Amino acid sequence: SQQGEEDPQALSIQEGENATMNCSYKTSINNLQWYRQNSGRGLVHLILIRSNEREKHSGRLRVTLDTSKKSSSLLITASRAADTASYFCATDLAGGYQKVTFGTGTKLQVIP
Amino acid sequence: EPEVTQTPSHQVTQMGQEVILRCVPISNHLYFYWYRQILGQKVEFLVSFYNNEISEKSEIFDDQFSVERPDGSNFTLKIRSTKLEDSAMYFCASSLTGGGEKLFFGSGTQLSVL
Repeated sequence: SQQGEEDPQALSIQEGENATMNCSYKTSINNLQWYRQNSGRGLVHLILIRSNEREKHSGRLRVTLDTSKKSSSLLITASRAADTASYFCATDLAGGYQKVTFGTGTKLQVIP
Repeated sequence: EPEVTQTPSHQVTQMGQEVILRCVPISNHLYFYWYRQILGQKVEFLVSFYNNEISEKSEIFDDQFSVERPDGSNFTLKIRSTKLEDSAMYFCASSLTGGGEKLFFGSGTQLSVL
């Protein structure tokens, strides 16, 4: 299975701290994406990083990708209570496939 | 911003009954997907659909499942004979270009099979 595994499964931090979530996957990919899900609602796309990129920023988000280790990390800086949600990495399979597979998710709680 | 719309938000059905979950993808998108999520668990791929045919499906998507794009705007998931284990949140998603690019998700249909 290509499915990603996020680490940690759950993370609890104080508002203002940084949160780091990691994702590992098993097969070669074209792109890796991160999504956010608020309590049972739909997933919202946060950021996409391509296999030939190593780092990407978007606002308070920083994503890194290490294809040699088949891993990615998502850093949320200066966290806010509103960042409380589950975060999922998602990968596709290199070779033009349509299937995007989601990882197991990290549940982030930001305490005000 | 354009949205993916799913109806109904909740569906309760008896085991063995057929259900149809409906989705209106973003209008200029070409790739459509169904995912499901059992309470608090991982988001599982069911099927992808492009150019009026299934492009990929998972082992979950057996003969009890089917998808259809009956007109230019709707995308439906049918479960022919529901089982208790089909109870889950079902998400529709669409993408402009497919191929592992950004997915836009609907807010889901919570299916409860009794």
